Amino acid sequence: EVQLVESGGGLVPPGGSLRLSCVASGFTFSSYWMHWVRQAPGKGPEWVANIKEDGSKEYYVDSVKGRFTISRDNAKNSLYLQMNSLRAEDTAVYYCARAVGSSSSFWGQGTLVTVSS
Amino acid sequence: QSVLTQPPSASGTPGQRVTISCSGSNSNIGNNPVTWFQQLPRTAPKLLIYDNNQRPSGVPDRFSGSKSGTSASLAISGLQSEDEAEYYCAAWDGSLDGFVFGPGTKVTVL
Repeated sequence: EVQLVESGGGLVPPGGSLRLSCVASGFTFSSYWMHWVRQAPGKGPEWVANIKEDGSKEYYVDSVKGRFTISRDNAKNSLYLQMNSLRAEDTAVYYCARAVGSSSSFWGQGTLVTVSS
Repeated sequence: QSVLTQPPSASGTPGQRVTISCSGSNSNIGNNPVTWFQQLPRTAPKLLIYDNNQRPSGVPDRFSGSKSGTSASLAISGLQSEDEAEYYCAAWDGSLDGFVFGPGTKVTVL
């Protein structure tokens, strides 16, 4: 059974940092592009970043460039999102997702990040 | 403001057909395949349609997708109560080098 389990969310003050993790199981993790997608309360999903199968290429939405870093460890079947200089507008449920735009798309259940003083 | 445009709501009675539109541009829908997701309350989005009109196994054939130029559509035939959910379109945008999502359409079964 395919599973993606996110962790690391929580309450953080503006300007703070947080590192999200996602552990994958039930499929060959190293064969897929992986993504982080967030969804603010009452809003639609917003794609945040993705990373190539071997970690050699990354893309980011403009609003997080220079602040967030996506990475992966294929030996540990794990995906990460390092979030620095957090802002109130980064408050959202963050989903780890496999292959967003293909037949293999699968999303975890998400972890809530709240940026507030 | 979303790069892709969807109507905020759609509704129908059980058994009716409902269509949801998704409008974009040449940098996204016009040159890349469209994906549709269904999101039930308090759950993660789930893949409904990929490559404009392909259904993953397990998705009922009352769901269908189409694309023409810079617009796409999702149709639900034979509407059922369990289809009440939020529906999102998405596509890769070559100008932004990232995926873009529509704002979502809330489908209500009357």
